[in-house]
Amino acid sequence: DTAVSQTPKYLVTQMGNDKSIKCEQNLGHDTMYWYKQDSKKFLKIMFSYNNKELIINETVPNRFSPKSPDKAHLNLHINSLELGDSAVYFCASSPRAGGNTEAFFGQGTRLTVV
Amino acid sequence: AQKITQTQPGMFVQEKEAVTLDCTYDTSDPSYGLFWYKQPSSGEMIFLIYQGSYDQQNATEGRYSLNFQKARKSANLVISASQLGDSAMYFCAMSALGTGGGNKLTFGTGTQLKVEL
Repeated sequence: DTAVSQTPKYLVTQMGNDKSIKCEQNLGHDTMYWYKQDSKKFLKIMFSYNNKELIINETVPNRFSPKSPDKAHLNLHINSLELGDSAVYFCASSPRAGGNTEAFFGQGTRLTVV
Repeated sequence: AQKITQTQPGMFVQEKEAVTLDCTYDTSDPSYGLFWYKQPSSGEMIFLIYQGSYDQQNATEGRYSLNFQKARKSANLVISASQLGDSAMYFCAMSALGTGGGNKLTFGTGTQLKVEL
């Protein structure tokens, strides 16, 4: 019954590795997002997809590559992980791209790079 | 550019009392949305309440109400009858158009609320 689910919840990995985080929503929403929450709890958008099309890319290093196989899924792949990538990554979805609608968040993935 | 300011890094309130968490915003868009989210220690982000810029009345959701003062560009969250379970980080956010035309949420830095017995 989970609306927005992401896996894994925790991810510990070494510098230089490549890792992926998966996200799925069963709300029938058109738009999905990735947000990053840093160690000071500040949340910032990274990407947004609307019906599988990238519509927001907020100056994220190109080591981060989102992929949306269909509008219910948005995965985040990170290459050559760095210590500074350690953060909590949240997937979210909203009914549509335009307008002022709330975003529903997944439970977050805590990524620790050692 | 949009900006959200939360000036209270931490707040304490006694159980059953009301508490107001401050939020001011800045935008040049005539149409925008204001949101409050709760993040308990378990880490998930929980949507609480929404106020549209054209809404005439303040939004309410159970014990949560949003005190929207458009001229002052403020959107304070009021929690009535605080409960121990309200202890959490609270984020104010505003919707804004991203570079590709889609909406994104711009967040404030959050207020850590602690409810005491």
